Amino acid sequence: SQTIHQWPATLVQPVGSPLSLECTVEGTSNPNLYWYRQAAGRGLQLLFYSVGIGQISSEVPQNLSASRPQDRQFILSSKKLLLSDSGFYLCAWDILQGDTQYFGPGTRLTVL
Amino acid sequence: AQKVTQAQTEISVVEKEDVTLDCVYETRDTTYYLFWYKQPPSGELVFLIRRNSFDEQNEISGRYSWNFQKSTSSFNFTITASQVVDSAVYFCVTGGATNKLIFGTGTLLAVQP
Repeated sequence: SQTIHQWPATLVQPVGSPLSLECTVEGTSNPNLYWYRQAAGRGLQLLFYSVGIGQISSEVPQNLSASRPQDRQFILSSKKLLLSDSGFYLCAWDILQGDTQYFGPGTRLTVL
Repeated sequence: AQKVTQAQTEISVVEKEDVTLDCVYETRDTTYYLFWYKQPPSGELVFLIRRNSFDEQNEISGRYSWNFQKSTSSFNFTITASQVVDSAVYFCVTGGATNKLIFGTGTLLAVQP
């Protein structure tokens, strides 16, 4: 069966520090991978998605970037964090467009 | 553009009551998909159901049931005999011609013992 992992689970970082969040999927090949952010107030916003290694689509211009160095690995990064980057970051995967997306456990980021 | 409206921000019920969570969607896609996800306090999004636009058949799964009506662009979710463990935020979601999912703002359901 497929599983999706995210780490770290929680993170507290100072403003201006770098960020690296990792997401890995097991039990499947060639997944589509997604990064979402959920700010206070519950709405989920799609940040990036990837349909293959090295292929990244950005949905919202911002302080963040994403990379996919391996088929089942998706990384969310920032060179300098802003206070507004605080939130709950969720990674998700699916195989085909229209499929159900399955979400990881999330990373709660607090920028102070 | 796609849009999902969950007009109920918060609902509070007493255990064993039935509760319906409303969802109204907008889309220009002729083929689209509808989902419900549950987000318990732990934060992880749990998939509950997926429906295709061409399949209006309602579905029942244990205490959960879903009513899909294209004529009113609604995809409502009913929990029968609610339990405390049902307390969570519930999201109605739509997807279509692209990889993007559009989430509603969620309904916080609190089930009191």
